Amino acid sequence: SQTIHQWPATLVQPVGSPLSLECTVEGTSNPNLYWYRQAAGRGLQLLFYSVGIGQISSEVPQNLSASRPQDRQFILSSKKLLLSDSGFYLCAWSVLGLAGEQYFGPGTRLTVT
Amino acid sequence: GDSVTQMEGPVTLSEEAFLTINCTYTATGYPSLFWYVQYPGEGLQLLLKATKADDKGSNKGFEATYRKETTSFHLEKGSVQVSDSAVYFCALNGASGSARQLTFGSGTQLTVLP
Repeated sequence: SQTIHQWPATLVQPVGSPLSLECTVEGTSNPNLYWYRQAAGRGLQLLFYSVGIGQISSEVPQNLSASRPQDRQFILSSKKLLLSDSGFYLCAWSVLGLAGEQYFGPGTRLTVT
Repeated sequence: GDSVTQMEGPVTLSEEAFLTINCTYTATGYPSLFWYVQYPGEGLQLLLKATKADDKGSNKGFEATYRKETTSFHLEKGSVQVSDSAVYFCALNGASGSARQLTFGSGTQLTVLP
C-alpha cells in the first residue's frame, strides 16, 4: 500500500532563517506531487505541483521554492522566511488513471517568530 | 474556471442529529467530486468520491450523490457522533490540466456535542 511521509511534524523558525520541508511517497511510481499551505482557520492554497523529476509548476509568486530530486521526493524550501510563511504545510500525491483524488500527508506545522 | 462553494460554518450539532453540508460546483465537462475530512492537527483524508452523474459515494455512514442537474454534491449523515467533529472539504477534479489539480471549497467546521 502507498504511504506518504512528511517531516518535520512541527517547526519553529525565526524570520529570515532558511527552510527545508521534505515529503516522500512509498508504494507508487511516478506520482504527481503537490505542496499546499493552510493558514489558521482557512482553506487550502496550492503552492507547487510536479508531474515528474525536475518538473515544478508554481501556483503563486512567493519566497518559497520546490524541488523534486527523486521520483518520490518533494522538497519545499525558502532562503529567508517571512512571518506570513507561518501555517500548516501539506504534501499530497496522485496518480494518473484514478479519478484524480489526492492523498495527503500528516502535515508540518510551521511557526515563524 | 472551476469553483466549489460550500455552506458557511461553523456547524454545531448534538450527537445523533442529522447532518447536511451543502456543496455546489461550477466546472466544464464532467468532473469527479470528492469529500475530504480533516481532524484537528492532521492532514486531509479522502472520505468519499463520485465520478459520474447520479453516482452515490459512501463511507463511514456518510453519503453524497453527484447531481449534475443541480451541480451539487451535498454531504449527509443520518446520525453524527462526537468523533465526527472535524473540518469537511468538498473538492472537484476538472477535465482540464495535465496535473489533475483539485479545486477545493473553503471547508466547513463541524462540532458535535455529546
